[in-house]
Amino acid sequence: DAMVIQNPRYQVTQFGKPVTLSCSQTLNHNVMYWYQQKSSQAPKLLFHYYDKDFNNEADTPDNFQSRRPNTSFCFLDIRSPGLGDAAMYLCATHPGGSTDTQYFGPGTRLTVL
Amino acid sequence: AQSVTQPDIHITVSEGASLELRCNYSYGATPYLFWYVQSPGQGLQLLLKYFSGDTLVQGIKGFEAEFKRSQSSFNLRKPSVHWSDAAEYFCAVSSGTYKYIFGTGTRLKVLA
Repeated sequence: DAMVIQNPRYQVTQFGKPVTLSCSQTLNHNVMYWYQQKSSQAPKLLFHYYDKDFNNEADTPDNFQSRRPNTSFCFLDIRSPGLGDAAMYLCATHPGGSTDTQYFGPGTRLTVL
Repeated sequence: AQSVTQPDIHITVSEGASLELRCNYSYGATPYLFWYVQSPGQGLQLLLKYFSGDTLVQGIKGFEAEFKRSQSSFNLRKPSVHWSDAAEYFCAVSSGTYKYIFGTGTRLKVLA
């Protein structure tokens, strides 16, 4: 089945130790997103790619970076995780057309010790 | 600027009872509207969407939603709730681009 896959599902890191979260898709969608979701809150968009074009949200901290080496893969790098970065990180994709919809992966739960 | 309001943070209903989750949006033109459901520890799953046409939209799992332009609302309904419907529900709006604005969510609890 075509889908959005996130690895790992659970990630534990130490304060200040860089961590990378992975997302892959078999949908061949143009757009890929990274959202941060804290407990009982709405998903907060960090950034998105339309093909290779990177779009950073104005309030996304510099500590968060992303890479999209090809259509299928997108990575979220947190350079120096703080305790406040503990959250669920959701990857989503979108074909790019106006009447299409976003498809979400299962998320990666990040714990910062 | 677009915004979405879900006035109810928590809702509790008994199994078999009807359900209505409220969503109000702010947008100058006709918005694209969505309802997503999120089970604990999972990603978001699309329940239904409205782009244009018939204002009553049918979705998966027996859910429906009605777009009311005069009230700037897109409320989600289900005639008879099942215990498996317990989850968090998010309303979202788009201006027709691929960027969505999500509401803060409504957590549904179902009593046996």
